[in-house]
Amino acid sequence: GAGVSQSPSNKVTEKGKDVELRCDPISGHTALYWYRQSLGQGLEFLIYFQGNSAPDKSGLPSDRFSAERTGGSVSTLTIQRTQQEDSAVYLCASSLVGQGDSPLHFGNGTRLTVT
Amino acid sequence: GQNIDQPTEMTATEGAIVQINCTYQTSGFNGLFWYQQHAGEAPTFLSYNVLDGLEEKGRFSSFLSRSKGYSYLLLKELQMKDSASYLCAVRDAYSGAGSYQLTFGKGTKLSVIP
Repeated sequence: GAGVSQSPSNKVTEKGKDVELRCDPISGHTALYWYRQSLGQGLEFLIYFQGNSAPDKSGLPSDRFSAERTGGSVSTLTIQRTQQEDSAVYLCASSLVGQGDSPLHFGNGTRLTVT
Repeated sequence: GQNIDQPTEMTATEGAIVQINCTYQTSGFNGLFWYQQHAGEAPTFLSYNVLDGLEEKGRFSSFLSRSKGYSYLLLKELQMKDSASYLCAVRDAYSGAGSYQLTFGKGTKLSVIP
């Protein structure tokens, strides 16, 4: 079946502009995660959605970052007033549930470059 | 806080066995995952451990000792295609609604040479 889909695959933007990154999770998966991965670094947790519960926003690095998940499915990560340090690969993942042995299934990511 | 340590890089020979270690100190523990990530691609799930002991899956095995905060991934009969980064991840902090965050280590880059 279809996996996690992210768009765009690449985004180049100028410093100070806003960007929106989109994630389509696997159908039926209740849990959705956003991570970012910088060169040579591990996956940094950003935000987590579980069903209709309030999201866990504890990983968002600043108030320029926000995310929403509409109808328990598609999610959008928005970065306002982008900075060069925001350049990274942004990975979305979904899992059937957010506990136990339910593994995360990752999309191919959006490579964001802020110039 | 969360701290997950793995060696940065390892090199092994085709056909050999390699063990990739992971130690963790996290605010909670609700299971440990290993993922494989080829360069430029998304991570893919390899294994899951929540109880102490060894889980075997074909050429790959994963071991967990909760008392020691320690896990390893064992790859047997190495193939060139096994060259990738291997990520250790722990379900730790509670996120609410019965769910937990998954915190990743920085990964171990494995190079398999002929």
